[in-house]
Order: sequence, then C-alpha cells, then structure tokens
Amino acid sequence: AQRVTQPEKLLSVFKGAPVELKCNYSYSGSPELFWYVQYSRQRLQLLLRHISRESIKGFTADLNKGETSFHLKKPFAQEEDSAMYYCALSRGAQKLVFGQGTRLTINP
Amino acid sequence: ETGVTQSPTHLIKTRGQQVTLRCSSQSGHNTVSWYQQALGQGPQFIFQYYREEENGRGNFPPRFSGLQFPNYSSELNVNALELDDSALYLCASSLRGGSSYEQYFGPGTRLTVT
Repeated sequence: AQRVTQPEKLLSVFKGAPVELKCNYSYSGSPELFWYVQYSRQRLQLLLRHISRESIKGFTADLNKGETSFHLKKPFAQEEDSAMYYCALSRGAQKLVFGQGTRLTINP
Repeated sequence: ETGVTQSPTHLIKTRGQQVTLRCSSQSGHNTVSWYQQALGQGPQFIFQYYREEENGRGNFPPRFSGLQFPNYSSELNVNALELDDSALYLCASSLRGGSSYEQYFGPGTRLTVT
C-alpha cells in the first residue's frame, strides 16, 4: 500500500537557521513525489515536485530511493516560511496520497 | 483565469441526512479530484473524475458518490451521514494530458455532522 509519513507534526526553528522537514514513503513502483504548502488563510498549493528538481522559495527536496525519503530543506529559514507543509505521493494521474503534515513555525 | 471554487463554505447536517457539495474547476482543466481532510490530518483521496467518468477511488464506502458535468464542474454526494464524516472537503482540478502535473485546490467546504 502507498503511504506517506511525516514524523514531525510540529517543527519550530529560528529565523536564519536551516530547516529540514522529513518525509518517508512506501510505494511499490516509481514514485512521483510532491511537497504542498498551506500558508495561513490560503488554500493548499504546490511547492515543488521531485521530477522538476528545482528550488522554489529557497526550498529543495531530493528523492532518495534507497532510504525512501523525500525531505524538504532550506538553508536559511525566513519568517514567511511559517506554514503547514504536506508531503504527497501520486498514485498515478494525480491521485495524491498525503502525509499528516508538519506545521513549521519560524521564530524571529 | 478563474480559480477553483467550492460551495457552500460551511454547512451543518444531522446524522443520517444527505449532503451535496459543489466544485467549479479552474478554467481549462478537465479533471477533478475530491479529498476529505479530518482535523489534524492530511487530505485523503476520495475519488477523481475525468470526462464525466469516475477515474479511481480511495478507501471510501459507496455512500460517497460524485458527478462531473460537461463543463467539468463536479459534485460530491454523501448519503446516510455519520459523525465521522465531519471534515473539510477539498476539491482539486488539473489538466490531464497537459504538461503540468499541478493540482489546484479550492478553499474547501467544512461539513459538520451532529
């Protein structure tokens, strides 16, 4: 069965510190993985996907098939990064399996 | 370009009743997916509609059903409501066959079952 695990429900770091939000998955095929973000009073939106291998708002995520992980990283956190972050796996044709989410708080 | 809209924003129903939630997809999108998000949890996939046909279903009972219309808008119907159906229901639209894999989410409908 496909599953996404985000072990931390809450994560708090200081502004300027590095951030790493953990995501582990289980999937029998070739996974397609995403990070979605929900800022306060906004709707859920795509942050990045592993295929594009791009950096969005300073965030990057590398797919590690050996460790079945897709951790989200940013070297220097900013206050505007405070949000709810969801790791998601596509079952195909964009049928997403989401993790429980991690609430990231950046302290000034 | 019009974003995904959902109606109503909130509603309260009694156990055993039926409810219909509505979603208008983003302009140009042909696929609609529905998710249930219980408090403190991530969204759970209910089902997806493409070209007015159900195209995949999550682990939800048959009392959860849906429709997609020729204009790609969609409805989610839930019969015989249970207390555990209380949740935020999210609709997301996307363009199947396009170059982007992004799903665009609506603001959600908060359903409370008493």
